[in-house]
Amino acid sequence: DGGITQSPKYLFRKEGQNVTLSCEQNLNHDAMYWYRQDPGQGLRLIYYSQIVNDFQKGDIAEGYSVSREKKESFPLTVTSAQKNPTAFYLCASSFRPYRDRGLVEQFFGPGTRLTVL
Amino acid sequence: QKEVEQNSGPLSVPEGAIASLNCTYSDRVSQSFFWYRQYSGKSPELIMSIYSNGDKEDGRFTAQLNKASQYVSLLIRDSQPSDSATYLCAGPGSARQLTFGSGTQLTVLP
Repeated sequence: DGGITQSPKYLFRKEGQNVTLSCEQNLNHDAMYWYRQDPGQGLRLIYYSQIVNDFQKGDIAEGYSVSREKKESFPLTVTSAQKNPTAFYLCASSFRPYRDRGLVEQFFGPGTRLTVL
Repeated sequence: QKEVEQNSGPLSVPEGAIASLNCTYSDRVSQSFFWYRQYSGKSPELIMSIYSNGDKEDGRFTAQLNKASQYVSLLIRDSQPSDSATYLCAGPGSARQLTFGSGTQLTVLP
């Protein structure tokens, strides 16, 4: 089955701790994205990557880091510098944006809910 | 001004009625818009994509794009209780990436 997987489903972080959220896709998509969603709000872009070994900051990258060593994988690390990390984290993927008709559809994984203890 | 803005809702409609969800956007060059449905505690699910001016129909869903007025809407006909969810509009934003509205919570009353 093709799809996007995220793990873990729930994650608890202690103060001062770095944690890494996993995202894997087998859809052969070039681009991958990380979003953060806070209660009652829309999605905010943290980082995105359109190709292996390249990634760009989104609107709220401070306190987060990513890597893109494989096409299928785009892990997100929430560092201790992120002061308010409690949120629902969503990974998405798509074919490369700006094909001839502009942006393309993004498909989401099931999400990871991070809570700071 | 936000790049993609939704009427905040929440919106309640009786079962069988038409639910109308609206979204305005600021980028006049925008071509691609998407509607996602998000059930409580779950991730967004793509339900409609629209790339050109006019209407696009898929089952009970119709997406409408009006470039002159810079709005995109989603109509849900014969609304069912299972349609109760938050609906997110998404379109091009800064840095040529997808930007999402804050969502409209829809409740369909049996």
